[in-house]
Amino acid sequence: EAEVAQSPRYKITEKSQAVAFWCDPISGHATLYWYRQILGQGPELLVQFQDESVVDDSQLPKDRFSAERLKGVDSTLKIQPAELGDSAMYLCASSFERTDEQYFGPGTRLTVT
Amino acid sequence: DAKTTQPPSMDCAEGRAANLPCNHSTISGNEYVYWYRQIHSQGPQYIIHGLKNNETNEMASLIITEDRKSSTLILPHATLRDTAVYYCIVTMGAQKLVFGQGTRLTINP
Repeated sequence: EAEVAQSPRYKITEKSQAVAFWCDPISGHATLYWYRQILGQGPELLVQFQDESVVDDSQLPKDRFSAERLKGVDSTLKIQPAELGDSAMYLCASSFERTDEQYFGPGTRLTVT
Repeated sequence: DAKTTQPPSMDCAEGRAANLPCNHSTISGNEYVYWYRQIHSQGPQYIIHGLKNNETNEMASLIITEDRKSSTLILPHATLRDTAVYYCIVTMGAQKLVFGQGTRLTINP
C-alpha cells in the first residue's frame, strides 16, 4: 500500500539554527499539506499545496517558516531560525484531490534545545 | 466550521463494540462529519465520513442523528490495535480539517 514518506523521523537542533523537513506524497496526489502537532493537541494546518501552488498558508509563521513544492511532487518545510516553541511533530499529508480524504505520513519529531 | 465536543477519554473491553460520541450542535447543512484516529507516534488515519445518512466501511460505522447535531463512531469488535486518539471533525470539505483534542480510546484486554 502506498504511503506518505517523511524524513528525518527525528531531529534535534539548537535554537537559532535552521532545520528542514522533507515529504514525499503518495504518487499522483495533487494536494499536499503540512501540519504541526504540539504534544497533547491535535494537528494544526500550516500550509496546503495544490500541485506546486500554495492554496492556504494563513497559519504559517512566515517570518521563520517557509515551504516549497517546486515540481509539484515532493515538498520541503524549513524553519529558520528555530525557536524553543517550535518543538513539535511535523506531519505531512496528501490527497488525490482537495475533496478526498487525507493520508498522513509518520511525521518528523523536532526538538529544539 | 462547526465546533465539536468529544469526551476526553473512554475505555472499552477487547472484543466489545466501542461507541465514540461527538456533539456538533452548530453544524450547518453542507458540513460533513469526518472521523480520523491517531495511534501513538503515528500520523492520523482516515476512518469514515458522512453528511446525513449512516455510513459503514471495513473499519467502522458512523451513525448521524436525524437533526445532525450529534454522531457516534462505532468500532464493532474493538481490538488492542484500536487504542488511539479519535478525532471528530465537522467541515465543509476534506481539505479543511480542524483537529480538536479528540477522545483517547483505550482498549483493555
